[in-house]
Amino acid sequence: DGGITQSPKYLFRKEGQNVTLSCEQNLNHDAMYWYRQDPGQGLRLIYYSQIVNDFQKGDIAEGYSVSREKKESFPLTVTSAQKNPTAFYLCASSLVTGGSGYTFGSGTRLTVV
Amino acid sequence: GENVEQHPSTLSVQEGDSAVIKCTYSDSASNYFPWYKQELGKRPQLIIDIRSNVGEKKDQRIAVTLNKTAKHFSLHITETQPEDSAVYFCAAYQAGNTPLVFGKGTRLSVIA
Repeated sequence: DGGITQSPKYLFRKEGQNVTLSCEQNLNHDAMYWYRQDPGQGLRLIYYSQIVNDFQKGDIAEGYSVSREKKESFPLTVTSAQKNPTAFYLCASSLVTGGSGYTFGSGTRLTVV
Repeated sequence: GENVEQHPSTLSVQEGDSAVIKCTYSDSASNYFPWYKQELGKRPQLIIDIRSNVGEKKDQRIAVTLNKTAKHFSLHITETQPEDSAVYFCAAYQAGNTPLVFGKGTRLSVIA
């Protein structure tokens, strides 16, 4: 997927469960991002990270958590505190934060069952 | 912070006609403006971008124009084809190591 891989492609979560979405890139990009996409809502920023061991909240961080232990990896955990987690989740990376084009992963579609 | 407004939210054109999507931004310090195309069920892909020191950029049937005074930029697609049907997102970069701010998207339908 153009150097950035998201897994799984589809994920089903039961009420009250935490689930983790994987995002790995081999582009040597410093910055990584998580977006949530709902119909008609565009791309909403959940969390982003500019360097290893550092990350910042985006516009809709409540109910989500992240880690950045390696430059290549930026996993997203959807916790039970996220009341409406059903959505399409996109991971992206870039050379620098904001001032260059993003490469997106192919996305994970999360459904609560 | 930066705010990006995108219009229209949906656009239908006949095959062969032109399509124009417009975005406005709020922060005059913004200096990088990319456009992304997202086909149904797929990831967004960068199709063209422009920096604030340039007024227009073209790539085959696609062009982007930037008006810094009015704080708006537009995507122009000429000779539209059915494969141009997708959702298009504009974005703006507000200087200071912050993430891109995206518009809400325009769903373009090209009718054969």
